[in-house]
Amino acid sequence: GAGVSQSPRYKVAKRGQDVALRCDPISGHVSLFWYQQALGQGPEFLTYFQNEAQLDKSGLPSDRFFAERPEGSVSTLKIQRTQQEDSAVYLCASSLSGKAGVGELFFGEGSRLTVL
Amino acid sequence: DAKTTQPNSMESNEEEPVHLPCNHSTISGTDYIHWYRQLPSQGPEYVIHGLTSNVNNRMASLAIAEDRKSSTLILHRATLRDAAVYYCILTRSNDYKLSFGAGTTVTVRA
Repeated sequence: GAGVSQSPRYKVAKRGQDVALRCDPISGHVSLFWYQQALGQGPEFLTYFQNEAQLDKSGLPSDRFFAERPEGSVSTLKIQRTQQEDSAVYLCASSLSGKAGVGELFFGEGSRLTVL
Repeated sequence: DAKTTQPNSMESNEEEPVHLPCNHSTISGTDYIHWYRQLPSQGPEYVIHGLTSNVNNRMASLAIAEDRKSSTLILHRATLRDAAVYYCILTRSNDYKLSFGAGTTVTVRA
């Protein structure tokens, strides 16, 4: 497809389980972002990649969260030992350039994680 | 980062214009004003952005105050599909990320 694709769309995990969320950005897009969106709130920045380099991971809430983009295209967000507070929608976005100030970010539909 | 202030919610009637205000009194000269919207169960989508001059595109118009301390997103004829959360965001030209607030929830009545 032409847009950002995320999978799975829905994931239910038991507390303590590890989960992996996948993002397929738009082909050729240099920049990739992960955001976390709690119910009723705006998206919160987690991490940013430019090609395969993770340039900013300041938003990752704990060391249980890990993201990678090894070949500069597909990215995976991994959450280890999930907790109930990790329940949220995880949004992936990509952009052609590295400058959100003048460019456009394209978002996927998100992966909704529910931790029981 | 410069902050924006938006009303929590607004209601509109179908086929009427919607004016969404955004205050950004601490905006700097290099800050762009961006608007994104998020339809239910979807990711945010780009609406429009500008720096100093008013901007128009197929989705909306952006009116920027002369002192740039406020702006207004204008949806010329609201449809039911325009019901969404609208986010007003400031970014510098070399910023790589967007910082979202709570946005304005727009309800459109048939």
